[in-house]
Amino acid sequence: DAGVTQSPTHLIKTRGQQVTLRCSPKSGHDTVSWYQQALGQGPQFIFQYYEEEERQRGNFPDRFSGHQFPNYSSELNVNALLLGDSALYLCASSLAGGNSYNEQFFGPGTRLTVL
Amino acid sequence: AQSVAQPEDQVNVAEGNPLTVKCTYSVSGNPYLFWYVQYPNRGLQFLLKYITGDNLVKGSYGFEAEFNKSQTSFHLKKPSALVSDSALYFCAVRGEGGSYIPTFGRGTSLIVHP
Repeated sequence: DAGVTQSPTHLIKTRGQQVTLRCSPKSGHDTVSWYQQALGQGPQFIFQYYEEEERQRGNFPDRFSGHQFPNYSSELNVNALLLGDSALYLCASSLAGGNSYNEQFFGPGTRLTVL
Repeated sequence: AQSVAQPEDQVNVAEGNPLTVKCTYSVSGNPYLFWYVQYPNRGLQFLLKYITGDNLVKGSYGFEAEFNKSQTSFHLKKPSALVSDSALYFCAVRGEGGSYIPTFGRGTSLIVHP
């Protein structure tokens, strides 16, 4: 079992550009959540996808958008990048509709640097 | 609104000694509580969770956590620390109903000295 995979590992962009990050969930998982982890902070919830729809969203602007595909993989898109978007972006998958009590399995993350 | 506090940025302990990493929470209704560990340049790994039942929860790698409702705490413990336990530890909470949004603490860096 490959677990949760994310690509790319690292990414460098300039302000104003757009970026797409990708995530494949753990086999059998149907729910994908995205988090932003700034240096020295805990993960901050961006949004969660279930059945190809955004089910819940954290306090992030509309520049952050996502998508879930029929095979449960997911993309995170960020438009009009700001310096403050530099962070580790984590994808997490979970089972059975992402019930609140199910633990999440995290990928290794994508390190985004905005110059 | 739900929140998590990890009052210690860093915990230092000698190998072989017991360790405690503290976590307190605030949430409406019954809490679902989790501990995760993060090694350098890695994602978070699940250690254990409290949903209901026994207040003492046992998890991976010899870790355990004690749920205390009156003190709204969920401290992580291990009887004998290993150098390999050195990592960043995160406590997280979700409310019982409705929101799927978990709230994570800022993390506590555990350093185990040989």
